[in-house]
Amino acid sequence: DTGVSQDPRHKITKRGQNVTFRCDPISEHNRLYWYRQTLGQGPEFLTYFQNEAQLEKSRLLSDRFSAERPKGSFSTLEIQRTEQGDSAMYLCASYSRRRLGNEQFFGPGTRLTVL
Amino acid sequence: TQLLEQSPQFLSIQEGENLTVYCNSSSVFSSLQWYRQEPGEGPVLLVTVVTGGEVKKLKRLTFQFGDARKDSSLHITAAQPGDTGLYLCAGSYNFNKFYFGSGTKLNVKP
Repeated sequence: DTGVSQDPRHKITKRGQNVTFRCDPISEHNRLYWYRQTLGQGPEFLTYFQNEAQLEKSRLLSDRFSAERPKGSFSTLEIQRTEQGDSAMYLCASYSRRRLGNEQFFGPGTRLTVL
Repeated sequence: TQLLEQSPQFLSIQEGENLTVYCNSSSVFSSLQWYRQEPGEGPVLLVTVVTGGEVKKLKRLTFQFGDARKDSSLHITAAQPGDTGLYLCAGSYNFNKFYFGSGTKLNVKP
């Protein structure tokens, strides 16, 4: 399978716990995006990387959220001291500007439930 | 406040009917994309439009970008149950960042 993969697919945690999600993009894609999607809404931009550099982070993102892409391949998104409002689907997408069509390929998402 | 407003939010129609969904903004975008998302999956790109007034067709789906590049529409002819899903539009100023609308949830009944 050469698509974008995310792990885990589902995560249930208690308020105050830390969680970490992983995204493995399509290997030749240099851009990687993280989005959050709540029920009934479209994906909301969180942050994006070009290779290993984090180029932009949403101002809506609190300091409890951090993302890394250490070798320009896979990425992790960590949420510290989770709150019930963090419950959402977290989507990862990869993208190559060198390709025609500027298509973002999305992973299946990680659904987070904070109790 | 979302940059892109989609309407209607929900649409339930019978197989064979035609429909149009809309994506509107007060901002001018350099490109606009339409995605379809099924439950439990990530969005899948349907089309990208970049020129004001541009019309693109994908089988029974027709996409139009407004002349001023602020709005777009998606028209489906003779809808089928397989068209059921959440339709999302996403605008971009420079292909660096993508702003999604809240989506139109379409249900096509057999």
